[in-house]
Amino acid sequence: QVQLQESGPGLVKPSGTLSLTCAVSGGSIISTSWWTWVRQSPGKGLEWIGEIFHAGSTTYNPSLESRVSMSVDKSKNQFSLKLTSVTAADTAVYYCASKDWNHKTNYFDSWGPGTLVTVSS
Amino acid sequence: DIQMTQSPSSLSASVGDRVIITCRASRPIDSDLNWYQQKPGQAPKLLIYAVSDLQGGVPSRFSGSGSGTHFTLTIASLQPDDFATYYCQQSNTNPPLTFGGGTKVEIK
Repeated sequence: QVQLQESGPGLVKPSGTLSLTCAVSGGSIISTSWWTWVRQSPGKGLEWIGEIFHAGSTTYNPSLESRVSMSVDKSKNQFSLKLTSVTAADTAVYYCASKDWNHKTNYFDSWGPGTLVTVSS
Repeated sequence: DIQMTQSPSSLSASVGDRVIITCRASRPIDSDLNWYQQKPGQAPKLLIYAVSDLQGGVPSRFSGSGSGTHFTLTIASLQPDDFATYYCQQSNTNPPLTFGGGTKVEIK
């Protein structure tokens, strides 16, 4: 399993853009994994934001699709998340994770420790 | 979207108890059901995938079962390290991938 580490600003102003990066170590971002972002609002459950394959294909949660974009930087072995027009409702711990497969199903088997992003002026 | 509903939302149990957590999908999801454990301040950890397959390193006291829309996670004999919140997640329909609301297992 790879190791993942999120980084980025912990405070974003309302209407601004949230930008996070996830560094992948112990493996290559050029693999069969889909690279994923999940968030968790304080005291709440888990919300899947979306995922990206190293070749650039993306799938986003329809509830966030108009504001989300993801990218991969193969040279740095990392992937990124951008969320625009943020509000207080976007305050959450953001996790990056790898989604892997076997012949039965797919699942999130490696996770970063998470990073808290607060939206506030 | 496929809605995942867990019950109970919380429970109190003692060390050694058998604990059962239920997860229901709003429509059939074949065997595309995973379970995660999350402790305070930590990321979720994969416990079980494809309904009943244990992730490597997960103790055998954890087991999963079910099919279609009804699934369960069983902890055969609750240990101190098991007090945490458990989430089910469906991997059948994407987008979006969805999680249950969580079940918090607390010490009685």
